[in-house]
Amino acid sequence: GENVEQHPSTLSVQEGDSAVIKCTYSDSASNYFPWYKQELGKGPQLIIDIRSNVGEKKDQRIAVTLNKTAKHFSLHITETQPEDSAVYFCAASKGRGSTLGRLYFGRGTQLTVWP
Amino acid sequence: DGGITQSPKYLFRKEGQNVTLSCEQNLNHDAMYWYRQDPGQGLRLIYYSQIVNDFQKGDIAEGYSVSREKKESFPLTVTSAQKNPTAFYLCASSIVRGETQYFGPGTRLLVL
Repeated sequence: GENVEQHPSTLSVQEGDSAVIKCTYSDSASNYFPWYKQELGKGPQLIIDIRSNVGEKKDQRIAVTLNKTAKHFSLHITETQPEDSAVYFCAASKGRGSTLGRLYFGRGTQLTVWP
Repeated sequence: DGGITQSPKYLFRKEGQNVTLSCEQNLNHDAMYWYRQDPGQGLRLIYYSQIVNDFQKGDIAEGYSVSREKKESFPLTVTSAQKNPTAFYLCASSIVRGETQYFGPGTRLLVL
């Protein structure tokens, strides 16, 4: 099966700085890569996703990049704010309807943004 | 207001007791999932269902059981065979398997 590794496990930044979280995956057939944000005591919420036919996607202060050759993808948060503090999970999948199309999750990154 | 609901928010289990966690979705999604989350760990897949009356074991199915009698509902039973049930349980759904998953608010299970 797929193996998704996520780094770092914890990340502390000053408000206004950028934060980068990196994930690698093992199966070159994976083609869908979502990112989730989980606040304390709540369920994860999708914040951005990318498919293998694009290399980068942006949504306001959040961006995700994908390098299919190296099999890694990254989450970039610019101008961080205290409310960005949460656990972030990356995931990988072989895609829609595939008989092997389950999501494989990384172990999460605890992001803390200090005011 | 569409989404996924889980109940109860907190659940207490006595030793030797089976307990059932509820998960309901009104998103008209075919696929539903159950995950277990332990402190400092990622999400581990317990069971998933692609369609009504069908479900498959995930990575840690031992001590758990599920049913999928209705498209909207995917209850999880934690049986007495699960020796370490204390965890945060998350239900999710997706339009089809392998697509974006949307999560419920979770149920925290504690053992008395």
